[in-house]
Amino acid sequence: DSGVTQTPKHLITATGQRVTLRCSPRSGDLSVYWYQQSLDQGLQFLIQYYNGEERAKGNILERFSAQQFPDLHSELNLSSLELGDSALYFCASSAASGEDTQYFGPGTRLTVL
Amino acid sequence: AQSVTQLDSHVSVSEGTPVLLRCNYSSSYSPSLFWYVQHPNKGLQLLLKYTSAATLVKGINGFEAEFKKSETSFHLTKPSAHMSDAAEYFCVVTPLVSGNLIFGKGTKLSVKP
Repeated sequence: DSGVTQTPKHLITATGQRVTLRCSPRSGDLSVYWYQQSLDQGLQFLIQYYNGEERAKGNILERFSAQQFPDLHSELNLSSLELGDSALYFCASSAASGEDTQYFGPGTRLTVL
Repeated sequence: AQSVTQLDSHVSVSEGTPVLLRCNYSSSYSPSLFWYVQHPNKGLQLLLKYTSAATLVKGINGFEAEFKKSETSFHLTKPSAHMSDAAEYFCVVTPLVSGNLIFGKGTKLSVKP
């Protein structure tokens, strides 16, 4: 158990809908990262927050957004969902940034029908 | 830009025989390198991490990796495979500034009895 929690574990929704994925980092960790794992693209970095502020952006679509709240939990919002958004979404946390080890949550499996 | 190339998409070994999973990296500076493992329907677990201290890094579950700058390689090895090692393994590099992880495409390890 990494200490990173993600909810829900599974999510099934329809095209065009909007969903919110939630992540709670390990106690004391200030950085939260979101990754997407799909069969065709592999594991890709989406976005990083550090202590409430956006720190780095990767291959995140404009339909996706995220935020980190004062209690350091983070939410990833996916809107206007398409079939291709079906994937496993991981959250990771680290104490700070840079070279710090990242600890991954169990993931949320999103299925868009 | 940093990148990693995992040279084999699938490796199959017999239980009790050595494991070698190959990874080459590309980086304009001395990178931080990691190996993560993902068991079926599970999250990602850190196996080991290299951050320019010793070039031979020991990880969990008997795995180790050697950083070879001249060959730009970071291959993962284990002297004797166990059935529980069957999983997908990811070689990962991280830029110093932001810390987001850049994943290789993964190597699926199968272990035959």
